[in-house]
Amino acid sequence: DSGVTQTPKHLITATGQRVTLRCSPRSGDLSVYWYQQSLDQGLQFLIQYYNGEERAKGNILERFSAQQFPDLHSELNLSSLELGDSALYFCASSVGPGAGEEDTQYFGPGTRLTVL
Amino acid sequence: DQQVKQNSPSLSVQEGRISILNCDYTNSMFDYFLWYKKYPAEGPTFLISISSIKDKNEDGRFTVFLNKSAKHLSLHIVPSQPGDSAVYFCAASRGGSNYKLTFGKGTLLTVNP
Repeated sequence: DSGVTQTPKHLITATGQRVTLRCSPRSGDLSVYWYQQSLDQGLQFLIQYYNGEERAKGNILERFSAQQFPDLHSELNLSSLELGDSALYFCASSVGPGAGEEDTQYFGPGTRLTVL
Repeated sequence: DQQVKQNSPSLSVQEGRISILNCDYTNSMFDYFLWYKKYPAEGPTFLISISSIKDKNEDGRFTVFLNKSAKHLSLHIVPSQPGDSAVYFCAASRGGSNYKLTFGKGTLLTVNP
């Protein structure tokens, strides 16, 4: 158990809908990262928040947005869903901003999103 | 454009033997490399890392080798154990940082008793 929790574990929805994925970081961690793993793909970095502020952005679609709240939990919002958005979405957390080699990312178990 | 490549989708080895997982990268700006292990229904777990100023890093049964000129790294597991059966992801980053990681697609390692 990494200490990172993600809810829900599974989500099934229809095209065009909007969903929210939730992540609670490990106690004391200030950074939250979001990743997408599509079928037969590696993990794709989406976005990072550090202490409530956006820190780094990857290949995140405009239909996707995220935020980190004062209690440090984070939500990833996916809207106008398409079939291709079906994937595993992982959240990770780390103590600091990830600037150093010692700032290891700890991953949650993921949310499996299925878009029908 | 895949900047981190793991060309072997799967690898099968006998318990007690050496497992060698390979990873190639194309971006010469990458200077920090990591290996993660993933069991089914769990998130990836950090295993070992190496900075580009080194060519080898060892942690118990796990050793990572880096060949910068070939843009290639490998993970050696000796001896392999059935509990090592998992998907192994190679990842890389720039600036010695631990964010904006670029991952490979992973290699499924099966260690047979």
